[in-house]
Amino acid sequence: DAKTTQPPSMDCAEGRAANLPCNHSTISGNEYVYWYRQIHSQGPQYIIHGLKNNETNEMASLIITEDRKSSTLILPHATLRDTAVYYCIVRSTGGTSYGKLTFGQGTILTVHP
Amino acid sequence: EAQVTQNPRYLITVTGKKLTVTCSQNMNHEYMSWYRQDPGLGLRQIYYSMNVEVTDKGDVPEGYKVSRKEKRNFPLILESPSPNQTSLYFCASSLQVTDTQYFGPGTRLTVL
Repeated sequence: DAKTTQPPSMDCAEGRAANLPCNHSTISGNEYVYWYRQIHSQGPQYIIHGLKNNETNEMASLIITEDRKSSTLILPHATLRDTAVYYCIVRSTGGTSYGKLTFGQGTILTVHP
Repeated sequence: EAQVTQNPRYLITVTGKKLTVTCSQNMNHEYMSWYRQDPGLGLRQIYYSMNVEVTDKGDVPEGYKVSRKEKRNFPLILESPSPNQTSLYFCASSLQVTDTQYFGPGTRLTVL
């Protein structure tokens, strides 16, 4: 699976949009971009995923660049409960390891009042 | 409520005393997996199961066993725990291997 690079930490004011970037310059055509978050050692929580089109759900939006080498997770109105570690994961849909999620170090997002 | 459950949530044990961490899902998922999380190392996959009676090794299987006799359950067995297995363990499941994985709440294991 392709490697991802995320900033180690970010801050965001409550009520503002949080934009979390992720670089995945070696992504291949059959690899999806997934985002999970983990709040203080709880089980990772699925947020959103996409292949090449932008995606939106009730939690967030995912913007993937046209060349697919980077993406941005957008939390439109961050709250204090969004403080967590956010993981960007590139996941293959084929091969022997396609069931595995490879979590990197992620971005620690701190939402402050 | 659709969920993945793990038991126990916390366990302190001693070296060599066999233990089992249970994992159960109520979503009729075919794919189940165990991960361990350690500081600075992220989550690493221990074992996974594509379906009943089908299991395979992940990245760090040494010292662990699993079984999948029923679709809903995927227990993790430590036959002879050692201190280097002190970790936070997560079970995950998905409808099929290519679908979104959902995680349990975690089991914090300490081996003395």
